[in-house]
Amino acid sequence: DIVMTQSPDSLAVSLGERATINCKSSQSVLHSSNNKNYLAWFQQKPGQPPKLLIYWASTRESGVPDRFSGSGSGTDFTLTISTLQTEDVAVYYCQQYDSAPLTFGGGTKVEIK
Amino acid sequence: EVQLVESGGGLVQPGGSLRLSCAASGFTFSSYWMHWVRQTPGKGLMWVSRVTNSGSSTIYADSLRGRFTISRDNAKNTLYLQMNSLRAEDTAVYYCARVSPHWHFDLWGRGTLVTVSS
Repeated sequence: DIVMTQSPDSLAVSLGERATINCKSSQSVLHSSNNKNYLAWFQQKPGQPPKLLIYWASTRESGVPDRFSGSGSGTDFTLTISTLQTEDVAVYYCQQYDSAPLTFGGGTKVEIK
Repeated sequence: EVQLVESGGGLVQPGGSLRLSCAASGFTFSSYWMHWVRQTPGKGLMWVSRVTNSGSSTIYADSLRGRFTISRDNAKNTLYLQMNSLRAEDTAVYYCARVSPHWHFDLWGRGTLVTVSS
């Protein structure tokens, strides 16, 4: 199984400042056939299901604000919120969909400092 | 509106059974692979099972194989999860999720809570 490790577990960022979340996979999720990383990022607010933000490691889902960006390749990935807004308070998860069993990171809780 | 709506959760005793449903609307259900994912406060998100669009192929998390069965009825636009021999550790919110043409989850239901307790 591919183990997804997120860091930090939580972080507090001032409004308007940058938040950076890291995700590391225990093996590469890069497909050589199409040069795509099978890595997604989700945002989850209390009482709601996860919401897709980023897929293929860096492709923003339609409707997601451009302050959210994803980067990385192979085994190391980053989700960046460039200017934190109040509505961004949530738990963020990375997930690999390269191979079964699909696996998620443990989550990173983002709060306002 | 494109949506998934889960139902069938509730309180069940250890060793009992439950069948969850996920009703799809607003899109061509029969064209999409579907998954179940569960979430517990202590252990986060865990993938449970996947079924192809036709229903001909299924896979499961190793720890659940033999107790859980995923299926679908494309005529009714509904996904199912039959859960048998339930244990306390199966207590979770169960979500159904749609797979996009690019293989990621692009649509989730709001979830249904399953509580296994005597």
